[in-house]
Amino acid sequence: NAGVTQTPKFRVLKTGQSMTLLCAQDMNHEYMYWYRQDPGMGLRLIHYSVGEGTTAKGEVPDGYNVSRLKKQNFLLGLESAAPSQTSVYFCASRPHSGTSGSHNEQFFGPGTRLTVL
Amino acid sequence: AQRVTQPEKLLSVFKGAPVELKCNYSYSGSPELFWYVQYSRQRLQLLLRHISRESIKGFTADLNKGETSFHLKKPFAQEEDSAMYYCALLHGSSNTGKLIFGQGTTLQVKP
Repeated sequence: NAGVTQTPKFRVLKTGQSMTLLCAQDMNHEYMYWYRQDPGMGLRLIHYSVGEGTTAKGEVPDGYNVSRLKKQNFLLGLESAAPSQTSVYFCASRPHSGTSGSHNEQFFGPGTRLTVL
Repeated sequence: AQRVTQPEKLLSVFKGAPVELKCNYSYSGSPELFWYVQYSRQRLQLLLRHISRESIKGFTADLNKGETSFHLKKPFAQEEDSAMYYCALLHGSSNTGKLIFGQGTTLQVKP
């Protein structure tokens, strides 16, 4: 049981390049989230999904797109990377609210460190 | 608007000293609060949740609705407690499971 995994672990991009970050979970969780972590800012929600085929904007969605074609995967795309998107990106998942024993806990991946030059 | 504030960026204490990491929240409804911890080079993990009223690794946190606070406490800090700590509030909107995080406090326990 790998939990939540993220690919890649590190990436360096040039301004204007595009890339996709992959998040995968093997816990059959309904809900998935993408956060960015910046010093002094805490974790800020970029986009989230409450089920396969559905996505919604979080607090800081500009410059990012997401897709949830399969329940276990949540992709975060940067179409045209900017230096302001240099950050550590975390994916998280959790079961549906009604799931027994869920206690609303989110389970996090190991993070992806992205640098945009 | 719902908000979580952690006023201290860095808290530095000596081993064996008491620790209190402050967390204040803004929410008009009934809050559900959590503390997450991130050890160096590791992923965030849940430390404790107020609903469970538990003590994990010697840490406790009590919800004070009058002061809208959920401070994390430990009577005797250990070096292995050094980490980044985040306070989080479950968003009140319908079944999204979203968490609102504070800015985080780095706890440094010196030998």
